Amino acid sequence: QLQLQESGPGLVKPSETLSLTCTVSGGSISSSSYYWGWIRQPPGKGLEWIGSMYYSGSTYYNPSLKSRVTISVDTSKTQFSLKLSSVTAADTAVYYCARQRPSYCSGTTCYSYWFDPWGQGTLVTVSS
Amino acid sequence: EIVMTQSPATLSVSPGERATLFCRASQSVSSNLAWYQQKPGQAPRPLIYGASTRATGIPARFSGSGSGTEFTLTISSLQSEDFAVYYCQQYNNWPPFLTFGGGTKVEIK
Repeated sequence: QLQLQESGPGLVKPSETLSLTCTVSGGSISSSSYYWGWIRQPPGKGLEWIGSMYYSGSTYYNPSLKSRVTISVDTSKTQFSLKLSSVTAADTAVYYCARQRPSYCSGTTCYSYWFDPWGQGTLVTVSS
Repeated sequence: EIVMTQSPATLSVSPGERATLFCRASQSVSSNLAWYQQKPGQAPRPLIYGASTRATGIPARFSGSGSGTEFTLTISSLQSEDFAVYYCQQYNNWPPFLTFGGGTKVEIK
């Protein structure tokens, strides 16, 4: 059964870079059928998609965060990572990693991706 | 950007009653819509994808319907474990974009 686990510092200072890693177990991160994404949730608020990547290295980012986000993958370590630069208190949130799986595939092409499963999440607080 | 609007923000329901949650898209997303359930302190749990297909292990009391811009999640008979926040998410123009709705909290009446 595929499992994801976020890890990284729980406290980051303003203006610094937030760095998190998602470790994938029970499956391959190199599969061509999936994307791998990051989602965050500020305390008491809703979900916000941050960005995603394909095993080949292609990346897709939320336009509102694009200038500050980098997502990369290390297939040899079955990990992918998130870096968010120039953080402020508004970046305080629980950060989740998740796999994006297709609703269906036709031949070698897959379509309609949704998030399943999710990691348990990790709280990152931005404060001096 | 496709904006997803969920209503109501809070729904008060008694155990055993039916709950109906709504999700509206600012433009058509076809059937490319998922629903997630989130309990306090937990990660979101997938319930429905493709607007109406239940994810693995989801009880039959959860059903999704709709297409285009109007979607509904129905919980036929609320159990105590169903009181939570529910989010819709569209993935019609993935890649490169996807968006979540603001959520509906289902609370005990």
